[in-house]
Amino acid sequence: EAQVTQNPRYLITVTGKKLTVTCSQNMNHEYMSWYRQDPGLGLRQIYYSMNVEVTDKGDVPEGYKVSRKEKRNFPLILESPSPNQTSLYFCASRVVGGRTNEQFFGPGTRLTVL
Amino acid sequence: AQSVSQHNHHVILSEAASLELGCNYSYGGTVNLFWYVQYPGQHLQLLLKYFSGDPLVKGIKGFEAEFIKSKFSFNLRKPSVQWSDTAEYFCAVTMNRDDKIIFGKGTRLHILP
Repeated sequence: EAQVTQNPRYLITVTGKKLTVTCSQNMNHEYMSWYRQDPGLGLRQIYYSMNVEVTDKGDVPEGYKVSRKEKRNFPLILESPSPNQTSLYFCASRVVGGRTNEQFFGPGTRLTVL
Repeated sequence: AQSVSQHNHHVILSEAASLELGCNYSYGGTVNLFWYVQYPGQHLQLLLKYFSGDPLVKGIKGFEAEFIKSKFSFNLRKPSVQWSDTAEYFCAVTMNRDDKIIFGKGTRLHILP
């Protein structure tokens, strides 16, 4: 089944404790992206990647890092999480140049930073 | 800067009522347009999309949307809503000058049984 998976689905942590949220897709998509969703603000893009070893900042990259060492994986790293990073995070993937194609979203990771 | 506006943040309707959710974008070039739906506790799923051809697009679950280029709009419609349509709806746009997708802030739809 074609899908985007994220782990963990729920995470409660404390300020300053490094964490990684994994994202994996099995559709051989070049493009992968991370979003955060906050009430009243919709979806805001954090980082995206057009292919292996190619990453770019989105609209709200501060406090986040990503890596794309393999095509299928695109982990989101919070080196020193802060309470304002409490949010719902979605990973997504699609074909590059496929503006006519949809993005496929992961199930989401709800992160709480105390 | 390019943007996508959804006029209604929260809509409450009774079952069988007709629905129209507004979406406008600011970009003068070629666009591809999408509506995504997010049911409670779930991820975003594609409802319908427009990239060329007939400006009236039909999607899943009886939804449709009309692209009106002169108005920079892509409004979502459904003639008769059901309780199961309760969800958040996002309009999104990709522009031909780059590969970025821009989302609107979403419209939360609540259907009363």
